[in-house]
Amino acid sequence: GAGVSQTPSNKVTEKGKYVELRCDPISGHTALYWYRQSLGQGPEFLIYFQGTGAADDSGLPNDRFFAVRPEGSVSTLKIQRTERGDSAVYLCASSPLRGSPEQYFGPGTRLTVT
Amino acid sequence: AQSVTQPDIHITVSEGASLELRCNYSYGATPYLFWYVQSPGQGLQLLLKYFSGDTLVQGIKGFEAEFKRSQSSFNLRKPSVHWSDAAEYFCAVGARGAGSSNTGKLIFGQGTTLQVKP
Repeated sequence: GAGVSQTPSNKVTEKGKYVELRCDPISGHTALYWYRQSLGQGPEFLIYFQGTGAADDSGLPNDRFFAVRPEGSVSTLKIQRTERGDSAVYLCASSPLRGSPEQYFGPGTRLTVT
Repeated sequence: AQSVTQPDIHITVSEGASLELRCNYSYGATPYLFWYVQSPGQGLQLLLKYFSGDTLVQGIKGFEAEFKRSQSSFNLRKPSVHWSDAAEYFCAVGARGAGSSNTGKLIFGQGTTLQVKP
């Protein structure tokens, strides 16, 4: 079956611009996670959705970052006033179980802020 | 604080040689344990996981890992490495329990890059 998909695969933007990154989880998966992977590092947790609500957003670095999941399926990560330090690979993962660490990852979106 | 340490940033082995990648964790209780592999430009693929039971777990692609509670370790091994195993490997931990406070978020190590010499 189809896995987690993320679009775009690559995004180049200028400093100060707004970007949206999309995640399509595996069908029927109620839990959705966003992680950020900086160069040479492991992924770091950003936010967790259970259904439509953000159950844990403790990993969002500041208020420029925001994510939504309005219908409990597709999620969008939004970054305002991008900074060069936001350059990273943004990974999305989904799980069929509430609060389960067993997650299925998408291929990621590589964001480059120039 | 919860953390995962992968002491080896980069490892080079010859094709056919054995491999061991180290992982140590710091956690309040025994967490769920995972190893993922990431090839260039690809997402994370789950190699194996430990939840409970036998402390030696088998995964895909001929990998295995052993959980050692006394050492807070979960080292990954493979008896004979293939050139296609060259990739980055991540150890990760996740909280146990199904309570409402458990979000399932994973904590990752910084990764070990494996290079395979022909």
